[in-house]
Order: sequence, then C-alpha cells, then structure tokens
Amino acid sequence: AQSVTQLGSHVSVSEGALVLLRCNYSSSVPPYLFWYVQYPNQGLQLLLKYTTGATLVKGINGFEAEFKKSETSFHLTKPSAHMSDAAEYFCAVSRGSGNTPLVFGKGTRLSVIA
Amino acid sequence: KAGVTQTPRYLIKTRGQQVTLSCSPISGHRSVSWYQQTPGQGLQFLFEYFSETQRNKGNFPGRFSGRQFSNSRSEMNVSTLELGDSALYLCASSLEQPSHEQYFGPGTRLTVT
Repeated sequence: AQSVTQLGSHVSVSEGALVLLRCNYSSSVPPYLFWYVQYPNQGLQLLLKYTTGATLVKGINGFEAEFKKSETSFHLTKPSAHMSDAAEYFCAVSRGSGNTPLVFGKGTRLSVIA
Repeated sequence: KAGVTQTPRYLIKTRGQQVTLSCSPISGHRSVSWYQQTPGQGLQFLFEYFSETQRNKGNFPGRFSGRQFSNSRSEMNVSTLELGDSALYLCASSLEQPSHEQYFGPGTRLTVT
C-alpha cells in the first residue's frame, strides 16, 4: 500500500527566501508522485508530477521537485518565495498503473512573511 | 476546455436531513473521484466511479453513496446527516485511471447544524 508523510504541518518563510516542503512516500511499486496546491476556499490545483524519466520535475509558478528513490522523497522547492505562494500544499502518491486512487499527505500550510 | 464544476458551492443542512452534491468532470474524463476534506482528518477518499460503476471505495459508512451517469457526471448523497459531516467535499476527474493526475473542482462546503 502507498502512504505519504509530509514533514511539518506549517512552514513559515520570509518573502524572497527558499521554500522547501518535505514529502516522503512509501510504495511497493514504482510510484507516480504529485504536488498539489490549495488556496483558501478553492479546490486543489496540480503543481507538478513525476511519472517516469527525469527525476527533477519543474512545475508551475516556479516550483520544482526532485524524485529521490534512495531516500523515498519528493521534496518541493522554490528558490524565492512570493506572498502569493501562501497556501496549503499536498503531496500525493499512486501506483501509476491500475485503478487505485491517489493517496494524499496531511498537507503543509505555507506562510510567507513580508 | 472547461474545468471540473461542482454544485452547489455552499450548503447548510440540519442534522438528520439528506443532501445531494453534483459534479461535472472535464469533457472526455471518465473517472470521477470524491473526497471529504476536514481540518482534522485532511483529505479522505470517499469513492471513485468509472463508466457508471463504483470502482473504488474508501472507509466511510453506508450513509455516503454516489453514482455516475452515462455522460460521466456524478452525484454523491449523504443521508441522515450528522454534525461531523460538515466538510468541504471535493470532486476530481481524470481521463481513465484515478492513479494518474486528477483535476479538482472548487468543492462544495457543507455545514450541518
């Protein structure tokens, strides 16, 4: 079975600082990995995904994540935080093949301080 | 291409009543999944439908049910509402498999009083 652990339910950074949101997964098969962002009173928006191939994945709004199989991690980064990045971020994992649904982490709330 | 739409966006119900929520997936998407989101439990998977058949089910009581129509639109129903059912209900669609990227609607905020 797949599972996701997001370290830190709340992360606070200064505007212009590096954003690092941590995600570790557990999967018995090669996983598909996703990061989603949720703004207040909205649904989830896909930021980026890893399926196969290049382990460094670039997404929207300047975010990127690196799949590290040896560390079972898929951390999300952005070089310079912007006020508009304040939101909740969810990491998710799936088997990739088959019909099993995505498994989501508990989420990390990112605050950006001016 | 239009995104996933959910109606209504907000709903207030009384304990013991029932409620039906609607979801229209992205055109061409055949898989529709439903999630319950609460501050304490996070995102919890309810069920997934594909070609009018429930293909996956989460760990929720039988008061929670759903269905999918031939045009892939989906509804979920909650009977005998409890205070703990207050949540944001999210619908997500994907082309064929829920294990691939899902596209989410804005959600329906249900408040049970």
